[in-house]
Amino acid sequence: AQSVTQLGSHVSVSEGALVLLRCNYSSSVPPYLFWYVQYPNQGLQLLLKYTTGATLVKGINGFEAEFKKSETSFHLTKPSAHMSDAAEYFCAVSVGSGGYQKVTFGTGTKLQVIP
Amino acid sequence: DAGVIQSPRHEVTEMGQEVTLRCKPISGHNSLFWYRQTMMRGLELLIYFNNNVPIDDSGMPEDRFSAKMPNASFSTLKIQPSEPRDSAVYFCASSPRLGTGDVYTFGSGTRLTVV
Repeated sequence: AQSVTQLGSHVSVSEGALVLLRCNYSSSVPPYLFWYVQYPNQGLQLLLKYTTGATLVKGINGFEAEFKKSETSFHLTKPSAHMSDAAEYFCAVSVGSGGYQKVTFGTGTKLQVIP
Repeated sequence: DAGVIQSPRHEVTEMGQEVTLRCKPISGHNSLFWYRQTMMRGLELLIYFNNNVPIDDSGMPEDRFSAKMPNASFSTLKIQPSEPRDSAVYFCASSPRLGTGDVYTFGSGTRLTVV
């Protein structure tokens, strides 16, 4: 069975500072990994995903994440936080089983950006 | 495409009443998912369908919950009778198929309050 752990349910950064949101996964087979973002009163939307190939993945709004197999991590980063980045971020792992994928979401990290 | 459409956006009902939540997936998407989001439990997968057939309903909390997908463009989640602990935001999501790595598109959710 796969699982996802997001370290820190709340993270605060100053505007312009580095954003680092941590995600560690557990999977017995090579996983596909995702980051989704949820703005207030909205559904989740895809930020980026890792399937195979290049381990550094670039997403929308300047975010990127690096797949590190040795550390079983998929941390999300952005060099400079903007006020509009305030949202909740979910890491997710997808593993195929019997022809179907099973996606497991983390518990989410709320990002606060301080002016 | 208008995305995944959920209705109503907000629902307030009295304990014991029947509640029906509705979802229209993205045209051409073959898989549909119902999630529940609360502060305490985070994002929980309730049930998912592939080609209108329920694949896994192990996340449905009780027999009071039921879901149907009569055709490729419509699904309902029904709670009968409703209880205050059912208060949550319910999300519907769709994806092209259940293949590993497929991206989920979420609706804006239905905020349910049972008083």
